[in-house]
Amino acid sequence: KNQVEQSPQSLIILEGKNCTLQCNYTVSPFSNLRWYKQDTGRGPVSLTIMTFSENTKSNGRYTATLDADTKQSSLHITASQLSDSASYICVVPTGGGNKLTFGTGTQLKVEL
Amino acid sequence: DTGVSQNPRHKITKRGQNVTFRCDPISEHNRLYWYRQTLGQGPEFLTYFQNEAQLEKSRLLSDRFSAERPKGSFSTLEIQRTEQGDSAMYLCASSGSNQPQHFGDGTRLSIL
Repeated sequence: KNQVEQSPQSLIILEGKNCTLQCNYTVSPFSNLRWYKQDTGRGPVSLTIMTFSENTKSNGRYTATLDADTKQSSLHITASQLSDSASYICVVPTGGGNKLTFGTGTQLKVEL
Repeated sequence: DTGVSQNPRHKITKRGQNVTFRCDPISEHNRLYWYRQTLGQGPEFLTYFQNEAQLEKSRLLSDRFSAERPKGSFSTLEIQRTEQGDSAMYLCASSGSNQPQHFGDGTRLSIL
């Protein structure tokens, strides 16, 4: 069964601190992995897409890593800001790429 | 704004009533997707259109649910005889071929 699991479920950090979110997946065949940010009451917004051959990709203060051998990915947020408070969801396409399988997300709260 | 647009943003209705949601995708996108998201969970795939053809439906899409995309542009999702368990956020996304999905901000359905 195709599954995407994330940890931690929730996280509270102080503004300016760094954090790392984890994603484990069991999807076959694998083509790419995506991280989305979802603000409360809004739709998910793509942060980064990593293909099979990519190990690291950065988007501003967000850096994603991928280990296709262990089927693990991480999202590192540097110098967190209050606006980073959101749910971060790990997503892997399945079914030929037309269907996305979402993790349950990590709810991040950044506090003063 | 040329993003994915969903209407209404919120819908409150009594159990047993029918409801219809609309999604206007990004104009040049030929693929359109519907997802359902319950509180604290990631979105779950419901159905997918390529142009006007509905190519895949999840087993989550019971007989009370029907989606259409008659002219290959906007789409509607109808739920008949709504039940308490239908309360959720209904998300629409669109994409071009082999392109990442762009999400709307969803329609939040509350069943009284």
